[in-house]
Amino acid sequence: DGGITQSPKYLFRKEGQNVTLSCEQNLNHDAMYWYRQDPGQGLRLIYYSQIVNDFQKGDIAEGYSVSREKKESFPLTVTSAQKNPTAFYLCASSTDWDRVHFGDGTRLSIL
Amino acid sequence: DAKTTQPTSMDCAEGRAANLPCNHSTISGNEYVYWYRQIHSQGPQYIIHGLKNNETNEMASLIITEDRKSSTLILPHATLRDTAVYYCIVSKTNTGNQFYFGTGTSLTVIP
Repeated sequence: DGGITQSPKYLFRKEGQNVTLSCEQNLNHDAMYWYRQDPGQGLRLIYYSQIVNDFQKGDIAEGYSVSREKKESFPLTVTSAQKNPTAFYLCASSTDWDRVHFGDGTRLSIL
Repeated sequence: DAKTTQPTSMDCAEGRAANLPCNHSTISGNEYVYWYRQIHSQGPQYIIHGLKNNETNEMASLIITEDRKSSTLILPHATLRDTAVYYCIVSKTNTGNQFYFGTGTSLTVIP
């Protein structure tokens, strides 16, 4: 079955370290997205990419970076500049002829 | 895109219909109404969407008022697995960067 795979499901980071969250899709979707969700809150857009080798900042891009070298992959790096990185991170993808699909998320915690 | 207003929480008895309302009084003519749900610690799951007409699929029915300023998602026979947060989203396009996820309605199905 096609879908979005996020790994790992749980991730721990020490203060001052960068960490990269993986997102892979086999839906042949053009667009991919990263969201952050805090407890009891909705999703907030971090970055999105509509085509390979191009991406745009969302509402809360500070302290994060992304790359889109392949259509299937859209990794998110949480840098040490992100002062409050503990959150649930969701990756999604979409295309003109299909709805937005979400992965099952990565929960990042600070040690 | 127009934003939506949903009740914070609702309860429903197992086996009964769950009716989840959503107000979107500033919706424009070319904006769709989308419903997603998020089971705890998972990614949001698409349920249904519509423009003007009522829609039904294997998961739910969507009733949109004639003036399009509100809608109701109906789960005809709620089960315990329907316990989740339900998000009503209004958007012109099927692209994740245009979706605004508020806090949604937390539905609890009671045995």
